[in-house]
This record gives sequence, C-alpha cells and structure tokens, in this order.
Amino acid sequence: NAGVTQTPKFQVLKTGQSMTLQCAQDMNHNSMYWYRQDPGMGLRLIYYSASEGTTDKGEVPNGYNVSRLNKREFSLRLESAAPSQTSVYFCAARTGTASLNTEAFFGQGTRLTVV
Amino acid sequence: DAKTTQPPSMDCAEGRAANLPCNHSTISGNEYVYWYRQIHSQGPQYIIHGLKNNETNEMASLIITEDRKSSTLILPHATLRDTAVYYCIVRGYGQNFVFGPGTRLSVLP
Repeated sequence: NAGVTQTPKFQVLKTGQSMTLQCAQDMNHNSMYWYRQDPGMGLRLIYYSASEGTTDKGEVPNGYNVSRLNKREFSLRLESAAPSQTSVYFCAARTGTASLNTEAFFGQGTRLTVV
Repeated sequence: DAKTTQPPSMDCAEGRAANLPCNHSTISGNEYVYWYRQIHSQGPQYIIHGLKNNETNEMASLIITEDRKSSTLILPHATLRDTAVYYCIVRGYGQNFVFGPGTRLSVLP
C-alpha cells in the first residue's frame, strides 16, 4: 500500500519547456490536490479535484493545467515552464472534500527547477 | 488565507514535552482543527485532528479550549526526529486545507 505516489521526484526544465507531473493514489479516495511549496513558505493550493471528472482552481492556478484521468490519477501540466515555477510540488488525496472528519495524505513531492 | 496563528519557531529539550500553541479565534462551529508536520521538506504528515473534545493518539495529544478559539498540540516526549515544521489548520465543510507558515520546532539534545 503505497498511499500517494508522485513521479518524477526531481526534474530540471529549461524555460519554455513543458512537462507533466504525475500523481497516483491507491486509497480509493475521491478528492485529490496539487500544492506547491516555495522555500520557507507554507503549501499553496494550485488545483484540486473533488471527484473523478471534476477539477477546480485553487489559490495559485495560473500557468498550470490539470487532468483527473480516473479516480486514481491526477496530473499537473506545465505548458511553458517559467523560473517562477521552480518549487516543490505535492500531491494529496482525501476521502472527500465535503467530508469533515478525514485527513489528507500527501506524496513525497516533486522538486522542479526551471532554468 | 490561513485562519490560524502560530509562533514562527520554538525549541524543546529532548525527552521533554513539546507544547505547540495555535490561535484560531474566528473558528466556526463546524470547523475542525487539524495538525500536520513536515520534516526536511518531505510531504506533510498527518498528526491529529479534533472538533471540540481533547484527542489523543499514538503520536500526540490535542487540547482544544472550551471556547475553541485556541488549541495546543502536545508531543509528550519529544525526540530529535520530531524536529519539523508543524502546521495548525482549521477546515470546515467543503473547504480545502490551507497551510500557513507553521511553527518550526527544534528539538535540542
């Protein structure tokens, strides 16, 4: 039981390149999330998916797109990477957005550097 | 914006109890208090959560004041491995987890 798995763990991109960060969960949870964390800061929500087939913007969605491929997988795409997107990206999964009494489980992060 | 206020940093001696405070004076009736921690920029790790009663699990205890405007996370016997950033989060129905800057706890030998 791996929980939440993110790939890749590290990535270096050149400005203008595109890439997709992958996230998969094996807990059969409905809600999935993408956060970014800049040095010395807390996590900020980029996008979330309350259930399969739905996605919504979070606090900092500009420059990103997401796809909830199925219940297990939630990918984050950078179409044209910029140095400001250098960050650590975390994916999380939870039973359901509307559920009050459940916690979120996080992956181990993808460390992205845009040069 | 985060609905909580935490001290930016705290120290604790190894083997002693670490008491991490959190102020959430605007909490509403159906909002839970959650605690997470993050070690060395790893993914945040869930610790504990509660509504109004005190809670305890194998990791920590959560003490919520009667008016629910503040809470304290207690690590009963802190070890060096408890050095981390601790996040206090208030979350209600249909809301997402909003992380503030947290408290950086340093456990000292």
